[in-house]
This record gives sequence, C-alpha cells and structure tokens, in this order.
Amino acid sequence: DIQMTQSPSTLSASVGDRVTITCRASQSITNWLAWFQQKPGKAPKLLIHTASTLESGVPSRFSGGGSATEFTLTIGSLQPDDFATYYCQQYSNYPFTFGPGTKVDVE
Amino acid sequence: EVQLVESGGGLVQPGGSLRLSCAASGFTFSAYSMNWVRQASGKGLEWISYISGSTSATYYADSVKGRFTISRDDAKNSLFLQMNSLRDEDTAVYYCARAAVTGASWLVAYWGQGTLVTVSS
Repeated sequence: DIQMTQSPSTLSASVGDRVTITCRASQSITNWLAWFQQKPGKAPKLLIHTASTLESGVPSRFSGGGSATEFTLTIGSLQPDDFATYYCQQYSNYPFTFGPGTKVDVE
Repeated sequence: EVQLVESGGGLVQPGGSLRLSCAASGFTFSAYSMNWVRQASGKGLEWISYISGSTSATYYADSVKGRFTISRDDAKNSLFLQMNSLRDEDTAVYYCARAAVTGASWLVAYWGQGTLVTVSS
C-alpha cells in the first residue's frame, strides 16, 4: 500500500500569511494527488486534483505543485474562511490512501 | 445539483451488522464510480471501498475486506454498504462520495454529509 505523510500536522498562522503544506508518498504516484479541505462537522471539499489543477470555484489563492513523491499545497494569502484541516489523497492505486491531515489554526 | 444523502447509521453491538444506504440525485448515477470513506471522531479520513459504474468492479481497504460489501442499484440511484462482524474500531462517520467524472475515475469530488455508525456494547 502507498503511505501518505503530511507536514506539519498543525500550522498556526494569521490572516494574510502565505502557508505551505507538504505531502509525501511512499512511492511514486506520478501526479495522481488530490487536496481536500474539511471544516468541523462538514464533509471534505475537493480543492485540487492531479496535483496542481484547481477545482472549479476554488479561489485562486490555493495552488498545488509537485510530482512523483513530493507535493505541496500553498495558500497565497490566508483568509478567515481558510482555517480548516487539509488532507492529501493519492488515487494512483487502491487503497486510495489519505494523508493524516494538517490543521491550519489561528496564531 | 449533485446530492448524496446517507442513511442507515446507528448504534450496533460488536459482532453485529448494519446496512448503509446512499441516495443519489442530480446526475446520471449509473455513469459514475462511487466510494465509501469513513472518519472516526477527531481522526483523519479513511477510504474503505470503491465500486465502478459500468462493470461494478469493487475494491476494499484491508481493514474492512471480508466484512464489508459495497453494492449499487442503478435503477434506484442508490449505493449501499453492508457491514458485518462490526468492531469497536468501525465506529465512525461514513461518507458516500462520487467520482469526479464518468467512467473508471478514482478521484472523489462530491461527498454526502455522512451517517454516524457507533459500535458499542
């Protein structure tokens, strides 16, 4: 199975900050990586797929990058609505594993 | 508008069974692959099962293989998860989730609001 890790596990930041979350895969997944945002009590929301393609309707301050085993999610200028937990997921091979999540909270 | 509404969750004793349902609307259900993903309280997301649209091919996470069965009824626009031999560690919110595009897509794009399964004596 492909193992996914994320760093950091928690990120404290302020509105306007540029934040970057890293996701690593235990083997190459080419670019079959998605990023999801989840707020408490809500279902996850797809932000980015194929590592860097922004889902329709997602603000352009979100961007994704990377390939093979190392990927990043960057929020260009953190907004109040962005405080949430972020998960990466590989969909290269089943089981379609998620990373453990990164919680972005208020500094 | 894509809508996915899960039902069937509840309290069940260890070793018991439960059948979850997901009612889909707003799209051609038969054309899309579907998934179940779960989340224990305060924990991360765990993908547990997939069923394709056309061939009904199925995949399972090792944690549920042999105990859970995913199925679909395209005539009723419904997805199911039959859960047998339930364990304490199966306690979680279970989400129904649809693939992003038609065909054999493994990318999940749309999620229901989830149904809570509690396994406890």
